[in-house]
Amino acid sequence: QKEVEQNSGPLSVPEGAIASLNCTYSDRGSQSFFWYRQYSGKSPELIMFIYSNGDKEDGRFTAQLNKASQYVSLLIRDSQPSDSATYLCAVPTGNQFYFGTGTSLTVIP
Amino acid sequence: DVKVTQSSRYLVKRTGEKVFLECVQDMDHENMFWYRQDPGLGLRLIYFSYDVKMKEKGDIPEGYSVSREKKERFSLILESASTNQTSMYLCASSDPGEQYFGPGTRLTVT
Repeated sequence: QKEVEQNSGPLSVPEGAIASLNCTYSDRGSQSFFWYRQYSGKSPELIMFIYSNGDKEDGRFTAQLNKASQYVSLLIRDSQPSDSATYLCAVPTGNQFYFGTGTSLTVIP
Repeated sequence: DVKVTQSSRYLVKRTGEKVFLECVQDMDHENMFWYRQDPGLGLRLIYFSYDVKMKEKGDIPEGYSVSREKKERFSLILESASTNQTSMYLCASSDPGEQYFGPGTRLTVT
């Protein structure tokens, strides 16, 4: 079983809609969770992190963590074409980071 | 702002050449990482270092070596480049906490 799993998509949403990206992880002891955005040909950029159960909001982005079910989600409200990218979930364990393979999101104007 | 820089954005090398990829971070981070990223395979960890002169193998260390002589600099070495090492190479650094990536080096081995 992979440490971190994501639905690879592709996920398409119309402009203005809510995009929902999901990630599950295998290590019950994981304490922190990160979301990265990666545009085509570019390196991953950290956009959100969450440590506690519940929701964390930052502008149009909301990270949701459910430790009991071992999943973390990223919601993007009022999706814009500029949000079109691959979104990577990352979970650190010890000194290493485990990344999902990413979900490709396309926002259709 | 955390800054991670890599020596080249694009690099073209011939089979059999020795290749050096350099990475420098300016945030005094203990941990540094080298990944490669290929379509459909995601990010794969090659090596990481948690201190000067310390290194650990990642998932795919074969054909690579690393060097960390100073805290801010982490080098990836391809001893004898092969075509299957054509890839995007990403360096990252972290505290216990967030991990930040450099801009990446697109390496082509012909």
